[in-house]
Amino acid sequence: EAGVAQSPRYKIIEKRQSVAFWCNPISGHATLYWYQQILGQGPKLLIQFQNNGVVDDSQLPKDRFSAERLKGVDSTLKIQPAKLEDSAVYLCASSPYPRTGPEDTQYFGPGTRLTVL
Amino acid sequence: DQQVKQNSPSLSVQEGRISILNCDYTNSMFDYFLWYKKYPAEGPTFLISISSIKDKNEDGRFTVFLNKSAKHLSLHIVPSQPGDSAVYFCAASATGANNLFFGTGTRLTVIP
Repeated sequence: EAGVAQSPRYKIIEKRQSVAFWCNPISGHATLYWYQQILGQGPKLLIQFQNNGVVDDSQLPKDRFSAERLKGVDSTLKIQPAKLEDSAVYLCASSPYPRTGPEDTQYFGPGTRLTVL
Repeated sequence: DQQVKQNSPSLSVQEGRISILNCDYTNSMFDYFLWYKKYPAEGPTFLISISSIKDKNEDGRFTVFLNKSAKHLSLHIVPSQPGDSAVYFCAASATGANNLFFGTGTRLTVIP
């Protein structure tokens, strides 16, 4: 079974530029998450999709961040304009819904490391 | 507000000995706890979990203990192996919520 795919793996941009990340979840997983992991911290949820609807975006800085999940499959996360403090690893994860058991958890992609100069 | 805390940023253990990683939480609504392991340049991978109805869950060399009254859980790795060297994240969730709250991680180094 293929895992969660993310691209690009690395991105370097200057502040005030825009950037987009792409995620393709595990086939059949209805729930998709975007996390931000700043160096030295644990992942923090930015947005959660259930199919193509937003379940939770309370931690998403909506003045500069946007995300969409068209057709309920893959997703893009965009930052416009980027700030220095956006430097982080952006992780995408997916899970089946509803959760069916202890082994039914979130599966993470390898992440995109963003550096804002 | 950090609802899940891992107060030890790093831990070094000799190969073959026990590794004990600790995690504390503050939200009494959390009823499901997980440990994730993360290698450099990779995403976190699920390791082991425990429901709040249990106080222990074992999977091979890995055992997670939950003390609900103290809001504390720990991960025991016995015996530790060099391949266990990674960052370990504790995470928690509440019934009906799919999102996870993560701790800041503990970097485990197993010395051969």
